[in-house]
Amino acid sequence: NAGVMQNPRHLVRRRGQEARLRCSPMKGHSHVYWYRQLPEEGLKFMVYLQKENIIDESGMPKERFSAEFPKEGPSILRIQQVVRGDSAAYFCASSRMHPLDPTEAFFGQGTRLTVV
Amino acid sequence: DQQVKQNSPSLSVQEGRISILNCDYTNSMFDYFLWYKKYPAEGPTFLISISSIKDKNEDGRFTVFLNKSAKHLSLHIVPSQPGDSAVYFCAASARIKAAGNKLTFGGGTRVLVKP
Repeated sequence: NAGVMQNPRHLVRRRGQEARLRCSPMKGHSHVYWYRQLPEEGLKFMVYLQKENIIDESGMPKERFSAEFPKEGPSILRIQQVVRGDSAAYFCASSRMHPLDPTEAFFGQGTRLTVV
Repeated sequence: DQQVKQNSPSLSVQEGRISILNCDYTNSMFDYFLWYKKYPAEGPTFLISISSIKDKNEDGRFTVFLNKSAKHLSLHIVPSQPGDSAVYFCAASARIKAAGNKLTFGGGTRVLVKP
């Protein structure tokens, strides 16, 4: 039973390039969340997706950032025209959610993005 | 506006003694609370959780206490072991359907357990 898989683990991009981060949720999980952790800070919610739907993107920057979770394949977090301030660890989490049974979100190992 | 706060950035404790980590929240809609443990270069690992209908949950060496009136929760680790050295995050969730399991995290507490 594989856990949440994120790739790549490390990504280096030059300013102005695009970054694509991938997340495959745990088997049986249809809810995916993306979080960002800046150095020496806690994790900050970015976006919550279910298959083919964005449910809550209240934590996403208004420009350059987008996310998708297609019917087939992993969830993708896409950052266009990266800037140095985008350097951070990006974590994906997945969960199943039963309305009567609170469940925990399980996290991947993260993608560490460095913008040079 | 930080809705979940961990006011102690670090904690040092002797092996075998108790570690107490504290967390305060401001949002009354939060009804489910979790603690995660994180090692460097790894993702957070779920440790223990508590629903707002309870005031205590215990799992082995880990106990979480919830004081709803004070909007405060704490994590007790006893006895502390060197392998417990990590950063611990408190997180909260409001299980409103649209919010799913969206978590609001505190800033973390770095725990060092000395042999």
